[in-house]
Amino acid sequence: GDSVTQMEGPVTLSEEAFLTINCTYTATGYPSLFWYVQYPGEGLQLLLKATKADDKGSNKGFEATYRKETTSFHLEKGSVQVSDSAVYFCALSDRRRGNQFYFGTGTSLTVIP
Amino acid sequence: DVKVTQSSRYLVKRTGEKVFLECVQDMDHENMFWYRQDPGLGLRLIYFSYDVKMKEKGDIPEGYSVSREKKERFSLILESASTNQTSMYLCASSSPGRGTNYGYTFGSGTRLTVV
Repeated sequence: GDSVTQMEGPVTLSEEAFLTINCTYTATGYPSLFWYVQYPGEGLQLLLKATKADDKGSNKGFEATYRKETTSFHLEKGSVQVSDSAVYFCALSDRRRGNQFYFGTGTSLTVIP
Repeated sequence: DVKVTQSSRYLVKRTGEKVFLECVQDMDHENMFWYRQDPGLGLRLIYFSYDVKMKEKGDIPEGYSVSREKKERFSLILESASTNQTSMYLCASSSPGRGTNYGYTFGSGTRLTVV
């Protein structure tokens, strides 16, 4: 069945460091891929998305490229800030499975000044 | 600003109580979902609904039920609360078809503690 695997956390980085959070997926169809962010005490917010192979989603300095050949959607940011401290979730939605979403387990990021 | 609103941010209930968690969305979305979020387990789907009076079981429906009498409202019911239902509960909504491309909109969550 469909599933998402993302790197274990927690991740701790210094301000202005480069961030990569790995995400790989398994899907029988042609999924859309998403990254969600959850700030402390809040619900999940959509960070970025890509709906087909080779698409690049971007928002707030974060980027992720839909790689069908490696079934990956890694999240990257060139220079993290303290305000980026949050939990990040990779997710997929498979049109062939009624658009149901499948979420990774989340990766906690802490950025220290 | 479009929203999914969950009625309570924090709840404390006693074991055996019947608990209602309410979720309202103002986006005219057909699809609504209830998840619970636990450390190390991520988000797990409890129930979802694609239409009024329609419901489908998710991955962990045991101990829960739902009600969808109006399009904008989706209620999660804990028939007899137990301590293992202490968790963060997240409601989400989406539009069919568009959901695949536009994702879910989440509420802020309800942190339920059962004592």
